[in-house]
Amino acid sequence: DGGITQSPKYLFRKEGQNVTLSCEQNLNHDAMYWYRQDPGQGLRLIYYSQIVNDFQKGDIAEGYSVSREKKESFPLTVTSAQKNPTAFYLCATSYTRDYGYTFGSGTRLTVV
Amino acid sequence: AQTVTQSQPEMSVQEAETVTLSCTYDTSESDYYLFWYKQPPSRQMILVIRQEAYKQQNATENRFSVNFQKAAKSFSLKISDSQLGDAAMYFCAYRRESGSARQLTFGSGTQLTVLP
Repeated sequence: DGGITQSPKYLFRKEGQNVTLSCEQNLNHDAMYWYRQDPGQGLRLIYYSQIVNDFQKGDIAEGYSVSREKKESFPLTVTSAQKNPTAFYLCATSYTRDYGYTFGSGTRLTVV
Repeated sequence: AQTVTQSQPEMSVQEAETVTLSCTYDTSESDYYLFWYKQPPSRQMILVIRQEAYKQQNATENRFSVNFQKAAKSFSLKISDSQLGDAAMYFCAYRRESGSARQLTFGSGTQLTVLP
């Protein structure tokens, strides 16, 4: 079945550590996105990529980094520079001119 | 920059009744799409309905329909014959269709409770 796989489902990070969230898709979609979800604030765009080896900052990119070396993969690294990383992270994909997104099931990141 | 506003943080509806969720947006673009997404407790985002801005006819999907008022920049979602499974967080979202970036901009959400 085609879809998006986000892993891990739950992730715990110690202060000062970098962690990487995985997002893999087999939908052959061109564009991939990372969103952060906090209570009461909806979803906010962190980074997006429309083609391999290219990506753009979203509204809240500070403290995050991404790569797009393969069409299928768009990992997100939460660096120690992100001061408040505890949140729910959603990966999404779309065709460049498709109507909407397909979402993964998310990763819950908690700082301990 | 585009903004999407959902002014109702919480709503409730009796099972089998009808409820309307409000959404307004701000844009200077003429070509765009609007969406309603549902996020149940599983947190999986599910597309409920979409509307192309150039279409005057309101979109419908079974029990879900929208009231799209382009001049007023309003995009409300009506759920008819509400069911217990409709209980979820509902997000309104905007996506422009011009230029190279077509990312979704989301509202803050409306938590819908369905009462048995």
